[in-house]
Amino acid sequence: RKEVEQDPGPFNVPEGATVAFNCTYSNSASQSFFWYRQDCRKEPKLLMSVYSSGNEDGRFTAQLNRASQYISLLIRDSKLSDSATYLCVVNDGTDKLIFGTGTRLQVFP
Amino acid sequence: NAGVTQTPKFQVLKTGQSMTLQCAQDMNHEYMSWYRQDPGMGLRLIHYSVGAGITDQGEVPNGYNVSRSTTEDFPLRLLSAAPSQTSVYFCASSRQGQVDEQYFGPGTRLTVT
Repeated sequence: RKEVEQDPGPFNVPEGATVAFNCTYSNSASQSFFWYRQDCRKEPKLLMSVYSSGNEDGRFTAQLNRASQYISLLIRDSKLSDSATYLCVVNDGTDKLIFGTGTRLQVFP
Repeated sequence: NAGVTQTPKFQVLKTGQSMTLQCAQDMNHEYMSWYRQDPGMGLRLIHYSVGAGITDQGEVPNGYNVSRSTTEDFPLRLLSAAPSQTSVYFCASSRQGQVDEQYFGPGTRLTVT
């Protein structure tokens, strides 16, 4: 079983739609959680951290469910510029990050 | 600041050749790491360093060497290239204790024939 699992997609949504991605992790000792964004043929960049209380950054909301060991990312009012691959990332408390394989989002006009 | 820079951007090697991928950062970050990214596999950690003179293995270290003689530079050496090492290689850096916010370089696309 992979340590961090994501639905690869693609999720094809129209502009203005709301879309949600989930990610599950296997290590119950994992301590911190993040979403990174990766544009096609570019490097990953940190999108947001995920806190137990949930957090929101504009149109993006991230939530953590420790009991079920999953993380979610909700994007409201999708823009064409949101088209990218979203990577779920987990830190198990060591000096290493564990990356999921990513969920591809394509927003169409 | 240039951030994290990597050279070369593209490279084609023959099986058995050796080469060094260069990585440098100008943010005075203590932590640096190398990943490879393959389709369907996600980013996998090759080697990492928590400071000058200190390196450690990640998930897939075989076939690669690293050294960290300065805070700024973290080169990755392929000892004897194999087709299985065809991949996109990313270098990343972060402040010590903030490994979650990693800054990535633009990547090196390596093909081994």
